[in-house]
Amino acid sequence: ETGVTQSPTHLIKTRGQQVTLRCSSQSGHNTVSWYQQALGQGPQFIFQYYREEENGRGNFPPRFSGLQFPNYSSELNVNALELDDSALYLCASSAPTGSEETQYFGPGTRLLVL
Amino acid sequence: GDSVTQMEGPVTLSEEAFLTINCTYTATGYPSLFWYVQYPGEGLQLLLKATKADDKGSNKGFEATYRKETTSFHLEKGSVQVSDSAVYFCALSDPPTGANNLFFGTGTRLTVIP
Repeated sequence: ETGVTQSPTHLIKTRGQQVTLRCSSQSGHNTVSWYQQALGQGPQFIFQYYREEENGRGNFPPRFSGLQFPNYSSELNVNALELDDSALYLCASSAPTGSEETQYFGPGTRLLVL
Repeated sequence: GDSVTQMEGPVTLSEEAFLTINCTYTATGYPSLFWYVQYPGEGLQLLLKATKADDKGSNKGFEATYRKETTSFHLEKGSVQVSDSAVYFCALSDPPTGANNLFFGTGTRLTVIP
């Protein structure tokens, strides 16, 4: 148990739709990162939020956006869904402890785009 | 740029066999190194980590040593159990370069048979 929860667990959408995925971080963790894990691959970094501001972004287009709220919850929004967006989406929370922050992952949301 | 190269799988071992999963990395700074494990249908769990050269991370009988001279962080366990069957991911974070996101390898699926 990492104390990080995600909802929903599974989701089916059609191409062109929009989706919002939710994450609840551990209390006190002011950094949240989102990752996309395609089938059979390692997770790929989407972006990170620190104190409600975007703090770094991977190689994902602007239709992937996020929000972080003061109550340690966050959202990943994806617009204009494409078939290749089908993946497991993971959020991870962390808190500054010196120069290195261990990230704790939620169970993920599995998104299928038809 | 930062990257992780991980031993291709799948790996199938008999119970009580010795396990090695190779991992090498490329980084511009002085990264922290991690092994995460993903059990079927679950998210990622931190298995062990090492934050500087020559550090050894260990947990649940698994261990890995941060080797700067060979840029490696190989995972080992002396005697695997059926319950160790999972996908193992090597990862790095490179905070001194301003990037606290994790770079993952592609994962190695381990199956342990009785």
